[in-house]
Formats: sequence, C-alpha cells, structure tokens
Amino acid sequence: EDQVTQSPEALRLQEGESSSLNCSYTVSGLRGLFWYRQDPGKGPEFLFTLYSAGEEKEKERLKATLTKKESFLHITAPKPEDSATYLCAVQSLNTGTASKLTFGTGTRLQVTL
Amino acid sequence: SQTIHQWPATLVQPVGSPLSLECTVEGTSNPNLYWYRQAAGRGLQLLFYSVGIGQISSEVPQNLSASRPQDRQFILSSKKLLLSDSGFYLCAWSTWGGGYTEAFFGQGTRLTVV
Repeated sequence: EDQVTQSPEALRLQEGESSSLNCSYTVSGLRGLFWYRQDPGKGPEFLFTLYSAGEEKEKERLKATLTKKESFLHITAPKPEDSATYLCAVQSLNTGTASKLTFGTGTRLQVTL
Repeated sequence: SQTIHQWPATLVQPVGSPLSLECTVEGTSNPNLYWYRQAAGRGLQLLFYSVGIGQISSEVPQNLSASRPQDRQFILSSKKLLLSDSGFYLCAWSTWGGGYTEAFFGQGTRLTVV
C-alpha cells in the first residue's frame, strides 16, 4: 500500500526566514510525486511534478527536490502570501491511465511579518 | 484553457436525505475524472474515478455512488446521507498523454450532514 508522510504538521516562519517541508513516501514503483498548495476552504492548486530521483523544479520562492525515499519543498525568503497548507502526493506505476493519487496530510505553513 | 466547475460550494443536509454533487470540466476531451473527500486532519482520500462515460471505479466501499452521464460531467450521489458523510468533497480531472499527468482540482463542496 502506498503511503505518504509529511512533516512538520505545522510550521510558523517569519517573513524572509527560509525553511524546508518534508514528504516521505513508500510506493510500489513511483510514477510521479506531486506538490500542491491549498488555501483554506479551496481546492488544491497544482505546483510541481517530480518523477525521478535527483530532479528539481522551481517556481518563484519554491523549490522541490526528489530522492528515492523523500521529497523536500524548500521555501526561500517566504512572504505572508505563501501561507497555506502544502500537500504532497504520489502516483504509483500500477495505476494504469488514471492519475490516482495518495496524499499526505499536509504541512500547514504560516508566514508572519 | 481548461476549467473545472463544482457546485454547490456549501451544503447542509439532514441525515437520511439524498445527495447530488455535480462537476463539469471545460476545455478538454475524454478527461479522467475523480471524486476525493478531505476529512479534518486527514489527507485527501480517493472515492471514485472514471476513465470514460459510464465507467466508474470505486476505491472505498461506502454510502456514496458516482456516475458519468457525459464525457465531461461527473456526479456524486447518495440515497441516504449519514453523519459520517460530512466532509470536503473535491472533483478533479487529468489527461493521459502517454505518461503520468497531474490532477487539477475544483474548488470543492463543504458538506455538513446534521
């Protein structure tokens, strides 16, 4: 059974204070690892897809990296508007053509002035 | 560009009442469609997915059912709601381009069963 564990559950940063969120996973053959951002009361917003160890993706202040067992979402010099819950999900090779995702419970990030 | 519409945004229903949540996708053909539920303190849980009209796969045995009457329409239903059906329901779509593809989510429906 695929599993995703995210840590920490919650993180409070001051504006400009860089940090990293962790996503550990076990999957029977990784097809892709996905990062989403979710604002309160909204649906998840897609951020990145990673599919092989060593891969990195960047978007503004966010950088996602992938190893064979975990992924990190690095947040550089965060701003208050980066406050949200960040979700990690994996898709295994045996899901056929459907993008069936197994999600972690997320890291709730709060960035203060 | 592709867009996904999900309604209603919020719903309060009494126990034992029926349920119908609808989701439509625009700007793409033959998408894969999904229903997820997000309970407080838990990750998103896949409930149903569909790779084509009339094709429904259930991931979790429960009080709910899904239907896909048209290519870009996905419906989540229940004949009699339970208190445990409360949660945040999300519809999503993806396409198959010969490899993995990400799923894109609607804005969700907050269902409270009272």
